[in-house]
Amino acid sequence: GQNIDQPTEMTATEGAIVQINCTYQTSGFNGLFWYQQHAGEAPTFLSYNVLDGLEEKGRFSSFLSRSKGYSYLLLKELQMKDSASYLCAVRDPTGANNLFFGTGTRLTVIP
Amino acid sequence: EAGVTQFPSHSVIEKGQTVTLRCDPISGHDNLYWYRRVMGKEIKFLLHFVKESKQDESGMPNNRFLAERTGGTYSTLKVQPAELEDSGVYFCASSPGTPNTGELFFGEGSRLTVL
Repeated sequence: GQNIDQPTEMTATEGAIVQINCTYQTSGFNGLFWYQQHAGEAPTFLSYNVLDGLEEKGRFSSFLSRSKGYSYLLLKELQMKDSASYLCAVRDPTGANNLFFGTGTRLTVIP
Repeated sequence: EAGVTQFPSHSVIEKGQTVTLRCDPISGHDNLYWYRRVMGKEIKFLLHFVKESKQDESGMPNNRFLAERTGGTYSTLKVQPAELEDSGVYFCASSPGTPNTGELFFGEGSRLTVL
């Protein structure tokens, strides 16, 4: 089976840095994705990790440790518009490109 | 370029009725996926089309759900007869035939409420 865990809710202050953790236990691994979803909108792609290490993209970075089954999403210089749900998802290792999602972390950015 | 579009955005039906959800993927995307999010739970995979063929339908809950993708373009997901537990948000996603990162492009979802 697939088990993907992330905190349900987080709150952070505008301008600060926040780290959203994700741990996974899956029958295989073929990449980990982070998606952002604002309420009532489509999930949108943020990052993709398949090898260990840090991937940086502007204010957002994502880290992966395959041996630990662990990833985090780092958001810097938080803005009010970053208030959203952040979804961690592991790709189906059988190659069908399906994603297994965590329940998502709802981030609230406060002034 | 238009994104993935889904219709209707919200549907309210009574138990036992039928509902058909439609998804128009990004033009040229061979892969089309249906996912569902039941309240309080994670987004779960339902099925995957490659062009008009069902590649994987292991996530379909039961035979009350029927998905089609005529001509490899748009897709429909029919629920007949609907039950209370079918309530949730149904997401469609698409991706190119030759993925790079394998990123999926999602629609905004169709919210289904079964009373």
